[in-house]
Amino acid sequence: DAGVTQSPTHLIKTRGQQVTLRCSPKSGHDTVSWYQQALGQGPQFIFQYYEEEERQRGNFPDRFSGHQFPNYSSELNVNALLLGDSALYLCASIFGGAGTEAFFGQGTRLTVV
Amino acid sequence: SQQGEEDPQALSIQEGENATMNCSYKTSINNLQWYRQNSGRGLVHLILIRSNEREKHSGRLRVTLDTSKKSSSLLITASRAADTASYFCATSNTGKLIFGQGTTLQVKP
Repeated sequence: DAGVTQSPTHLIKTRGQQVTLRCSPKSGHDTVSWYQQALGQGPQFIFQYYEEEERQRGNFPDRFSGHQFPNYSSELNVNALLLGDSALYLCASIFGGAGTEAFFGQGTRLTVV
Repeated sequence: SQQGEEDPQALSIQEGENATMNCSYKTSINNLQWYRQNSGRGLVHLILIRSNEREKHSGRLRVTLDTSKKSSSLLITASRAADTASYFCATSNTGKLIFGQGTTLQVKP
């Protein structure tokens, strides 16, 4: 049973560029959430997708956007990258939107130079 | 913004000793979860305790929840070098997880 998979594992981008990160949820899960984790900090909630719609959003600017596909996989897009966007981006999946344990992928390490 | 505080921020113990980490939060919750993270990679779910539960066990892990004090604790008994990691508590009310700053645990062989 495949867990949550994320790609790529590492990425280096230049300020001002755009980036797309991808996530495939655990088999049987239909809800995907994205988190940003700066070095030495706890993960911060970016947004959650369920039934192909953004259901909840954290305190992140509109430069952060996402999408969920009919097979429940998801993308996180970040436009106009800033140095401060350098972080570990984590994808988590659950079933049914709330109330159960979340399964996390290994993350994508984004470095903006 | 972070939900609350974890205490201590760092903990160093000898193998075989017990490790206790505390977590405080600010708002009402549906459940509270503890996660482990090795070397800045993905988080591994350890245990979930619901708001109507007071204590839960899983192997060498014991979690308590005091909703009146808005606090939780994680006890790892008979620690091993492999328990060296960062530990996070996360509260959940609407499906999103709100994490604390984490406790870095070092278990010395």
